[in-house]
Amino acid sequence: AQSVAQPEDQVNVAEGNPLTVKCTYSVSGNPYLFWYVQYPNRGLQFLLKYITGDNLVKGSYGFEAEFNKSQTSFHLKKPSALVSDSALYFCAVREDNDMRFGAGTRLTVKP
Amino acid sequence: SAVISQKPSRDICQRGTSLTIQCQVDSQVTMMFWYRQQPGQSLTLIATANQGSEATYESGFVIDKFPISRPNLTFSTLTVSNLSPEDSSIYLCSVAEGLKSYEQYFGPGTRLTVT
Repeated sequence: AQSVAQPEDQVNVAEGNPLTVKCTYSVSGNPYLFWYVQYPNRGLQFLLKYITGDNLVKGSYGFEAEFNKSQTSFHLKKPSALVSDSALYFCAVREDNDMRFGAGTRLTVKP
Repeated sequence: SAVISQKPSRDICQRGTSLTIQCQVDSQVTMMFWYRQQPGQSLTLIATANQGSEATYESGFVIDKFPISRPNLTFSTLTVSNLSPEDSSIYLCSVAEGLKSYEQYFGPGTRLTVT
């Protein structure tokens, strides 16, 4: 069965600095990888996905993620963080019709 | 992307009662999912509900406790039965728009507190 790990419970960055939220995965076949963001008292919002093609995937709100097959990673990145990016971020992996989520990483961007 | 609404947005229920959560989608979708999320924690899949077939439950979740209906392609309900404080959680409806749709979209969630 597929699984995904987010090794950091919390990431703190200063506004304007680049940010990275880490994710590693395990699947038996081709990985279908996703990032979602959850703001307080809200549902999950889709940010981006990797299905096939370019390893660098661009998504909403200036976020991007890099798929690395050899390291089985799919880290989320943004060149310049905003205070409004502060939220809970989930990495997910899909196999067949079953999507599994990581434990989540709380990103805090300080002014 | 599909727009998903859930009712109620939150509720406080007494131990031993039941709560039915409604999920409405603004377009026809093949697959609907129900998740549970403790505040600030990850999501746990309860069941997958496809129209015209019985819901498929994940390990640790049973139909008697979490009966699901899926009467058409835009609507589903999840009932949490015989409530206990351990059922206090956020319940999320999610949809995938087609059998080969890789993306899932989520409703705003229903926050349940059991007293």
